[in-house]
Amino acid sequence: ETGVTQTPRHLVMGMTNKKSLKCEQHLGHNAMYWYKQSAKKPLELMFVYNFKEQTENNSVPSRFSPECPNSSHLFLHLHTLQPEDSALYLCASSQGLAGGAQETQYFGPGTRLLVL
Amino acid sequence: GNSVTQMEGPVTLSEEAFLTINCTYTATGYPSLFWYVQYPGEGLQLLLKATKADDKGSNKGFEATYRKETTSFHLEKGSVQVSDSAVYFCALSDRNTGNQFYFGTGTSLTVIP
Repeated sequence: ETGVTQTPRHLVMGMTNKKSLKCEQHLGHNAMYWYKQSAKKPLELMFVYNFKEQTENNSVPSRFSPECPNSSHLFLHLHTLQPEDSALYLCASSQGLAGGAQETQYFGPGTRLLVL
Repeated sequence: GNSVTQMEGPVTLSEEAFLTINCTYTATGYPSLFWYVQYPGEGLQLLLKATKADDKGSNKGFEATYRKETTSFHLEKGSVQVSDSAVYFCALSDRNTGNQFYFGTGTSLTVIP
């Protein structure tokens, strides 16, 4: 299997549930990202991990909790979400931020989340 | 700061028509510029990129030229196909801000037979 994979592809959860999104990359990259894609809005960068260390947290509410156990895996733990959190959550990876060169990000297919 | 502005959609074209999707940017440094495409039900895929002024990125018949003087990176294709129907995102990456990506809002393209 190659590229960036995400599971589940679709998720419906209530506001009191706890769930996790999983992302795995098979590209040998060292940086991984979580984005939120909502209708009519630009992609919102949520978290960045570079060499397993979190380097960006763009004012994301604490009900979203990322975890990066190694360079190939990234999780997004969800708890007590709100209906406005319904969106497509995209994972991406890139070579890594150590080189300083502009890098291409490679995206997974996303998890479509609906919060009831 | 850094930002990307792209033309509002949706855009509807007949097959074999000429396509232009406008994109302009604001950047503090010397960004790289990208076009990504998102087909229905899928994530974003890199379509083409350009890393310095006057570079032309091209792929699958699509082209875009990095114009520093007009801060633009317009996407063009001479003859669109039904299979080109998708949402197109312009983006920039600026090494001065740790290679963070800045995306436009996306332009939906529908090509009808």
